[in-house]
Amino acid sequence: DAGVIQSPRHEVTEMGQEVTLRCKPISGHNSLFWYRQTMMRGLELLIYFNNNVPIDDSGMPEDRFSAKMPNASFSTLKIQPSEPRDSAVYFCASSFLASGRAGELFFGEGSRLTVL
Amino acid sequence: AQKVTQAQTEISVVEKEDVTLDCVYETRDTTYYLFWYKQPPSGELVFLIRRNSFDEQNEISGRYSWNFQKSTSSFNFTITASQVVDSAVYFCALSYTGGFKTIFGAGTRLFVKA
Repeated sequence: DAGVIQSPRHEVTEMGQEVTLRCKPISGHNSLFWYRQTMMRGLELLIYFNNNVPIDDSGMPEDRFSAKMPNASFSTLKIQPSEPRDSAVYFCASSFLASGRAGELFFGEGSRLTVL
Repeated sequence: AQKVTQAQTEISVVEKEDVTLDCVYETRDTTYYLFWYKQPPSGELVFLIRRNSFDEQNEISGRYSWNFQKSTSSFNFTITASQVVDSAVYFCALSYTGGFKTIFGAGTRLFVKA
């Protein structure tokens, strides 16, 4: 079975540009999570969805960040406009709640974003 | 408050030594889950173990073992006879609100020298 698929794997952009990160969760999983990893702040939960509905976006740093999940097999994280401090690795993870593995996250390989 | 503390930032050992990674958590929930994940130098995050709050049995899997103690809110991870391939960052994580929200500790970077 395919794991969580993220794209792009690497993105280099200039300050002020729009960035869109994409995620395809594992088929059958009903929850999706976006995390950001930096040296200074570690792994931060940005937002999570359950059954395509955003449940908690309290971790989204500011209005420049937005996330959508239009269907069960696709999610995007958008940053507009991007700033150098947004440089980080962004991980998408999916999970199947209501199973004996509640809370177990399956991570994608991450999208490394560099904003110049 | 919900919190995971991994006080050890870096640990360096020589191959074949045993090493214990500490994890202390805080939560108001009575039902919660604890995890360990491994992040090797390649960068992906790999699930190692899951424990729910009602199961305090220790677990052993090969060279890995986990000690869960609710009385001290700790979930420690021991690697026996460490190997160079164990070199990675190890994260302890807490999942609450029914498994919806998972937060991570700062991670412990383990160096195993040959």
